[in-house]
Amino acid sequence: DAGITQSPRHKVTETGTPVTLRCHQTENHRYMYWYRQDPGHGLRLIHYSYGVKDTDKGEVSDGYSVSRSKTEDFLLTLESATSSQTSVYFCAISEGLADTDTQYFGPGTRLTVL
Amino acid sequence: GQNIDQPTEMTATEGAIVQINCTYQTSGFNGLFWYQQHAGEAPTFLSYNVLDGLEEKGRFSSFLSRSKGYSYLLLKELQMKDSASYLCAVMDSNYQLIWGAGTKLIIKP
Repeated sequence: DAGITQSPRHKVTETGTPVTLRCHQTENHRYMYWYRQDPGHGLRLIHYSYGVKDTDKGEVSDGYSVSRSKTEDFLLTLESATSSQTSVYFCAISEGLADTDTQYFGPGTRLTVL
Repeated sequence: GQNIDQPTEMTATEGAIVQINCTYQTSGFNGLFWYQQHAGEAPTFLSYNVLDGLEEKGRFSSFLSRSKGYSYLLLKELQMKDSASYLCAVMDSNYQLIWGAGTKLIIKP
């Protein structure tokens, strides 16, 4: 299994508060991704990174920001959490080999915004 | 728009065979992935197809027809531990994964 950890694993917060989720990898993979997973929806890409300080938006990036200051860490920040951001958040990593690139997932963070 | 369709839920019997279908319409195609996800856990990689045909990996096989925008995952000799959701995902022309909502597979004794 790829060495990917996420913290915290569970969090309950209130509307309007800032929240930061952390993803840490020990595989030295170039690409890192943040997804959210909601019932009835497929995984939806929030942001991704293709190197240190190199990030780009995904399908559902509004209300989220990211940072990657080291290869191993990718942070997802909700500047002002809303109830619609209650979800399970998964981090994934990949080597960045284009058409054969397989993504490996962290254990997930369950976030509840009250 | 881009779309991945798979059945919401399927039920099968222990020891039997089940086929989970996935149809897709995407802007470009750079491969199709199947993942398994047990309840409360992370998705784990099962298979990858980029050329037409069948890829076999133990009890699991995955088939792809690019001309029909169609794939299936075949699970043989079903075991109770195969109860999980199965996610189909297509890599589009921008090398982004587009995900289906998943098929929940229930195995009955």
